[in-house]
Amino acid sequence: DIQMTQSPASLSASLGETVSIECLASEDIYSNLAWYQQKPGKSPQLLIYYASSLQDGVPSRFSGSESGTQYSLEINSLQPEDEGDYFCQQSYKFPLTFGSGTKLEIK
Amino acid sequence: EIQLQESGPGLVKPSQSLSLTCSVTGYTITSGYDWSWIRKFPGNKMEWMGYISNSGSTNYNPSLKIRISITRDTSKNQFFLQLNSVTTEDTATYYCAREDNNYVMDAWGQGASVTVSS
Repeated sequence: DIQMTQSPASLSASLGETVSIECLASEDIYSNLAWYQQKPGKSPQLLIYYASSLQDGVPSRFSGSESGTQYSLEINSLQPEDEGDYFCQQSYKFPLTFGSGTKLEIK
Repeated sequence: EIQLQESGPGLVKPSQSLSLTCSVTGYTITSGYDWSWIRKFPGNKMEWMGYISNSGSTNYNPSLKIRISITRDTSKNQFFLQLNSVTTEDTATYYCAREDNNYVMDAWGQGASVTVSS
């Protein structure tokens, strides 16, 4: 199975700041990487697919990038509603696998 | 707008079977996409369990292959998860989701918390 190593496990940042979350794939996944946001008590929401494509309706302050097998989610100009859990998922090979998640707290 | 809703028992005894239903509104499950089950364990690890396609074929996580079955009732626009011989390690929140052509989940249910305990 492809292992997705996600960091950091938790993150605390202030309103207006920029944060970055990383996922490292154990092998090449050829940009087949999605990012999700899950707010407390809610279902996960797709933010980004194919490493950098923004899902319809997602604010442009969310962006994704890649460098080799390392994938990043950047959130610019943090807003209160950005608080929650974020996780990555590789969609290159079955079984689909997820990162361990990052808890983002807005100070 | 598509909506998915999980339902089923919140408590299952060890060695018994876990059965959940996902009811879909706003989209017909035979029209396209794959229909998946994913679970999130205490501590937040997530596991993709498998899917049933719009044509009825299935694809399971090999780690669950001997215990899992995903079926559907197209007349009710529902699909189902059955997980046999459960242990306390199957305690999790179970989500149903729509999986697109790129194997990305673009719509999720609210989740159903299932505890395995005697």
